Amino acid sequence: QKEVEQDPGPLSVPEGAIVSLNCTYSNSAFQYFMWYRQYSRKGPELLMYTYSSGNKEDGRFTAQVDKSSKYISLFIRDSQPSDSATYLCAMLYNNNDMRFGAGTRLTVKP
Amino acid sequence: ETGVTQTPRHLVMGMTNKKSLKCEQHLGHNAMYWYKQSAKKPLELMFVYNFKEQTENNSVPSRFSPECPNSSHLFLHLHTLQPEDSALYLCASGKTGGAGGETQYFGPGTRLLVL
Repeated sequence: QKEVEQDPGPLSVPEGAIVSLNCTYSNSAFQYFMWYRQYSRKGPELLMYTYSSGNKEDGRFTAQVDKSSKYISLFIRDSQPSDSATYLCAMLYNNNDMRFGAGTRLTVKP
Repeated sequence: ETGVTQTPRHLVMGMTNKKSLKCEQHLGHNAMYWYKQSAKKPLELMFVYNFKEQTENNSVPSRFSPECPNSSHLFLHLHTLQPEDSALYLCASGKTGGAGGETQYFGPGTRLLVL
């Protein structure tokens, strides 16, 4: 079983839709959870960072963590064509050891 | 752009060549990382340096040789690579030694093609 599972998509939605991206994990030692956005031909950029179970909101983005279910989500409201990218979930359980999902490719159509 | 730069951005090399990838971070971080990103696969951690000391080597073949002369610079020396080594090589930096949960910031990557 992979430590981090993420549906690779691709996912295509119309502009304005609510997007839900998800990851599951198997290692309960993961404590910190991140979402990265990666545009084509670029490195990943940090979008959201959470520690505890619950929701964290930043503009149109909401990160949700459910440690009991080992499940994390990223919601994008009012999606825009500029949100089209690959979204990577990542999890950290010590200072250096980070595990990534395979990434979900999202396309938002005008 | 983040405070992590990588050169070159693109590299094509033959299997007998020797080349080096360079990474520089301007964020005052003390940890630096090399990752390999292949199509449809998760990022693979290759090497970790904390305060210039290598603390992790994830069973990377010896044809990849890292060098960290100081906390701001990281190199990946390449020699006698194989076509399956073609990938995007990403450098990242972060803080370490704190309470934990320090995130990593990535450079734009070097797209490597081995012929």
